[in-house]
Amino acid sequence: DTEVTQTPKHLVMGMTNKKSLKCEQHMGHRAMYWYKQKAKKPPELMFVYSYEKLSINESVPSRFSPECPNSSLLNLHLHALQPEDSALYLCASSQVGTGVYEQYFGPGTRLTVT
Amino acid sequence: TQLLEQSPQFLSIQEGENLTVYCNSSSVFSSLQWYRQEPGEGPVLLVTVVTGGEVKKLKRLTFQFGDARKDSSLHITAAQPGDTGLYLCAFSGTYKYIFGTGTRLKVLA
Repeated sequence: DTEVTQTPKHLVMGMTNKKSLKCEQHMGHRAMYWYKQKAKKPPELMFVYSYEKLSINESVPSRFSPECPNSSLLNLHLHALQPEDSALYLCASSQVGTGVYEQYFGPGTRLTVT
Repeated sequence: TQLLEQSPQFLSIQEGENLTVYCNSSSVFSSLQWYRQEPGEGPVLLVTVVTGGEVKKLKRLTFQFGDARKDSSLHITAAQPGDTGLYLCAFSGTYKYIFGTGTRLKVLA
C-alpha cells in the first residue's frame, strides 16, 4: 500500500478563519512533507518532519503552522491567510536514511482564500 | 543551487505520436525519479532510476538515466489522451526533493 490520504479535498476560507489540513500514511515512513503548488508550477517544499521532529522549515510565514502528532499523521494549521496563499497543498512521505528513497504524495487539498 | 531543467516546457501532440521529455542538470545524482501529475491531483511516482545508463520500461514509457547520471529522458511511444499531464523529474537530496521545471503534455484525440 503506497497511499497517502489528505483531507479535506477542497477548502475555502476567509482571511480571518482558522482551519487545518490533515495528512495520513500507513507505510511506516518516518519522514513527512508539506508542499505548496501554484498552477502550472512544480511543488515547492514548505516543511519536513523526520521522526516526528521538524527538520526543515523553508522560511514559511508563521501563519502556516505544522504539527506531527505521531509517525502516521501530519497536520498543517492555517490562520490569517492571504489570498496569495491559495494553492494546492500536497503532503508526502518517505523513508529516512541513506540510499534511494522515494516520496509518495497524497491527492492534495485545493485551498482558496477569500 | 542544484537545478533540474526540463524540456520542452509544453508539448501538444496528436494521439499515436511519439515524444521525448528531457531532464538535465550540471550535477551528478545518486538517483532520479519521474512523476506524472494530473490537474488537481498529487504527483504519482512512475519510476526511479539509479544506475548510469539504466533503461526502465513501463508499458509505453521508456526511462533512461544518462551514463554520467546528470540527465534523464522519458520517451512515450504511441501517446494516448490518458498520458496528458504534468511530467516532473526529481532527485532526492538529504530530506529534500528538488523538482524539475516540469513538462506539460497534452495529447489530442
